[in-house]
Amino acid sequence: GAVVSQHPSRVICKSGTSVKIECRSLDFQATTMFWYRQFPKKSLMLMATSNEGSKATYEQGVEKDKFLINHASLTLSTLTVTSAHPEDSSFYICSARDSFRVDRGEKLFFGSGTQLSVL
Amino acid sequence: GQQLNQSPQSMFIQEGEDVSMNCTSSSIFNTWLWYKQDPGEGPVLLIALYKAGELTSNGRLTAQFGITRKDSFLNISASIPSDVGIYFCAGRWSGNTPLVFGKGTRLSVIA
Repeated sequence: GAVVSQHPSRVICKSGTSVKIECRSLDFQATTMFWYRQFPKKSLMLMATSNEGSKATYEQGVEKDKFLINHASLTLSTLTVTSAHPEDSSFYICSARDSFRVDRGEKLFFGSGTQLSVL
Repeated sequence: GQQLNQSPQSMFIQEGEDVSMNCTSSSIFNTWLWYKQDPGEGPVLLIALYKAGELTSNGRLTAQFGITRKDSFLNISASIPSDVGIYFCAGRWSGNTPLVFGKGTRLSVIA
């Protein structure tokens, strides 16, 4: 299957600092990438849809200024958690769809996730 | 909004047993996907289904796209310890809409 690389896998930061998480599609191009948040023993909650070359689309209740998304190329999207606070601690997962192959265009491939802990 | 009900929430089974889990939707879906997630990792795609009635296998895993297009099931035959994890169903009702995820089925296999 397609490979999505997400870094870092784990980050611990002080309250008030900003954290950037990168999501790369390694062997395919993705005009759209998705960012999810997952709490322990819970399902994935879609935060936003990242669109290459344009603004991200945020789900209801997700603060745009808090979670900055940049999708500057067909293989890279970044999520920056600005002025992080303890309540932002969570498991963040990115995903991407192969935009140019019909045989797997419907499939969503996930990164390995980033565990963010804000002290 | 769309709702996706996944059951059971958790299962404890003996190694070698077969497992079945399912998802039902309040809306018609065009795509059903089944994922497995290990602790601290992102979900890994197991099976993708695109047509009503479609039955697809991946090794010991078999999944079906329900005829009504509102449900799907995943079966695991002859379970082994490495099957432990959380299984998520996900569906989409059109190509441009986000995937909707079930709440997951936590599988534990007792050796």
